[in-house]
Amino acid sequence: DAGVIQSPRHEVTEMGQEVTLRCKPISGHNSLFWYRQTMMRGLELLIYFNNNVPIDDSGMPEDRFSAKMPNASFSTLKIQPSEPRDSAVYFCASSRDTLVMEAFFGQGTRLTVV
Amino acid sequence: RKEVEQDPGPFNVPEGATVAFNCTYSNSASQSFFWYRQDCRKEPKLLMSVYSSGNEDGRFTAQLNRASQYISLLIRDSKLSDSATYLCVVSRARGDKIIFGKGTRLHILP
Repeated sequence: DAGVIQSPRHEVTEMGQEVTLRCKPISGHNSLFWYRQTMMRGLELLIYFNNNVPIDDSGMPEDRFSAKMPNASFSTLKIQPSEPRDSAVYFCASSRDTLVMEAFFGQGTRLTVV
Repeated sequence: RKEVEQDPGPFNVPEGATVAFNCTYSNSASQSFFWYRQDCRKEPKLLMSVYSSGNEDGRFTAQLNRASQYISLLIRDSKLSDSATYLCVVSRARGDKIIFGKGTRLHILP
């Protein structure tokens, strides 16, 4: 099993540019989560999908952030326009919709906005 | 009140000692509980699930106290390799969001 795959691993971009982060969940998993991690705020849930449908996006910081899941094997998180305060590690995780609900994480995308 | 709260630490513990962390959660409807471990600059990984009756996995013991709404993690005979951040995780139901605490940093000292 390849695990959750995120790309890119690292992204450095200039303020104002559009950033797109990608995630391929584990095959057969029904839920997909996008998290952001910083030293100050820890691991924050931004949005999660269940069966490709966004269920809760209350963690999305503002309208500059958007996420899509067009099919069961792909999701994107987009920031437009990016700002320096968006610099963080963005994790994607997926879980099988069972009682155990263990979440498997990708290796993360380290985003730096300069 | 935050949904999941943990003491951020750091806990500096000599090798071989026993260390325990607690984590409190605010939503009484929470059903599933986990401890995750995160090494520096790595992704979080499941350490163990927490069952109502408590559970043990080698040197690690997890407990759940529903009345007081907290879970705990006990590490016995700590090893240098146990140095990491330990994240408390709760969820309400199947297909529901999984909420992480900010984590407790543990440093095992030689």
